[in-house]
Amino acid sequence: QVQLVQSGAEVKRPGASVKVSCKASGYSFTDCYMHWVRQAPGQGLEWMGWINPKSGGTTYAQKFQGRVTVTRDTSISTAYMDLSRLRFDDTAVYYCVRDFGNALDMWGQGTMVTVSS
Amino acid sequence: SYELTQPPSVSVSPGQTASITCSGDNLRNKYTFWYLQKPGQSPVLVISEDNKRPSGIPERFFGSTSGNTATLTISGIQAMDEADYYCQTWDTSTVVFGGGTKLTVL
Repeated sequence: QVQLVQSGAEVKRPGASVKVSCKASGYSFTDCYMHWVRQAPGQGLEWMGWINPKSGGTTYAQKFQGRVTVTRDTSISTAYMDLSRLRFDDTAVYYCVRDFGNALDMWGQGTMVTVSS
Repeated sequence: SYELTQPPSVSVSPGQTASITCSGDNLRNKYTFWYLQKPGQSPVLVISEDNKRPSGIPERFFGSTSGNTATLTISGIQAMDEADYYCQTWDTSTVVFGGGTKLTVL
């Protein structure tokens, strides 16, 4: 079955960087774009960007331009989201999400990133 | 930047029908997707491309679009339908989510 398994929770200081991984299984990794979406505590969903695993091409939300980098390693069917210069308001659950025909049809379990001094 | 507008909350009694709206400029010319999210869980796709139900989603969930407003209709409301619901569309290769609607079953 299709599954996206993300790395564990992180606690970071302001100004640091965090890298979250997302391992895909149950389908051909390079056939579907992968998105990253975050959700601050008690808030709604916020789209961050996507990667085309086949080409490595990316598109990011304007809000995160210059701070977010999404990469992939096709040999292990894993996507990564790197967010730099962390701020307190980056505290959120970060999800990787498979794009199947433009629908975000499979979501990872989420990774809690806490920014705290 | 493109925006989708949803009501913050909708309340409905068990067995009744709930309608959650989502409006946006030129939405009639875009596809709308709907997700539900229960507390502590990841979102789940319930409607794709305006009105398509993914495998496993009950027929009680129905999507439609009229003009620049998309609507998710849930009939025969059950306690288990209490959740946050988000609409989503695409705008020039970027994903846009609505602010979410909290559905309360009275």
